[in-house]
Amino acid sequence: RKEVEQDPGPFNVPEGATVAFNCTYSNSASQSFFWYRQDCRKEPKLLMSVYSSGNEDGRFTAQLNRASQYISLLIRDSKLSDSATYLCVVLPTGTASKLTFGTGTRLQVTL
Amino acid sequence: GAGVSQSPSNKVTEKGKDVELRCDPISGHTALYWYRQSLGQGLEFLIYFQGNSAPDKSGLPSDRFSAERTGGSVSTLTIQRTQQEDSAVYLCASSSGRGNTIYFGEGSWLTVV
Repeated sequence: RKEVEQDPGPFNVPEGATVAFNCTYSNSASQSFFWYRQDCRKEPKLLMSVYSSGNEDGRFTAQLNRASQYISLLIRDSKLSDSATYLCVVLPTGTASKLTFGTGTRLQVTL
Repeated sequence: GAGVSQSPSNKVTEKGKDVELRCDPISGHTALYWYRQSLGQGLEFLIYFQGNSAPDKSGLPSDRFSAERTGGSVSTLTIQRTQQEDSAVYLCASSSGRGNTIYFGEGSWLTVV
């Protein structure tokens, strides 16, 4: 089983739609979680950290379920500019520091 | 600039040649990471530095790959006797500490012909 798993997509949604991505992780001792966004042929950029209590940033909501070992990202009122690959990132405890990236979920928002 | 700086941004090299890729992290960031991403693939961890030491080298794919960091700042990733499968974008990232947000450079795009 991969350390971090994501549905590669693509998710094709119309503008204005709500879309959700899930990401599962295998190491129950993981301590930090993030969502990064990567545009085509660009470097990944932090979208948001994921906190145990869940957190929201504008149209974006991230949640963590430790019991089931998954994190989620919800995007409301999708914009064309949201089209990108969304990377789930997990930092386990007890290691020197190996941030583990999922392979990403591709989102395409259309008119 | 204030961000992570990488050079060269693009490199085309012949199979068998050595290449050096450079990373200047954000000033004051103690943690530095190298990742590799092949076209259409996810990020592959290569090595992590805390200061000048590398507590995790587990991702280096072969002994042709090495990296060093000096002065707690600049890092160089060296690939010896390059092979075509080494073609990828090599991404450097830095953070102010373990568990903190990491910031990526724009990458060095390596093509081995």
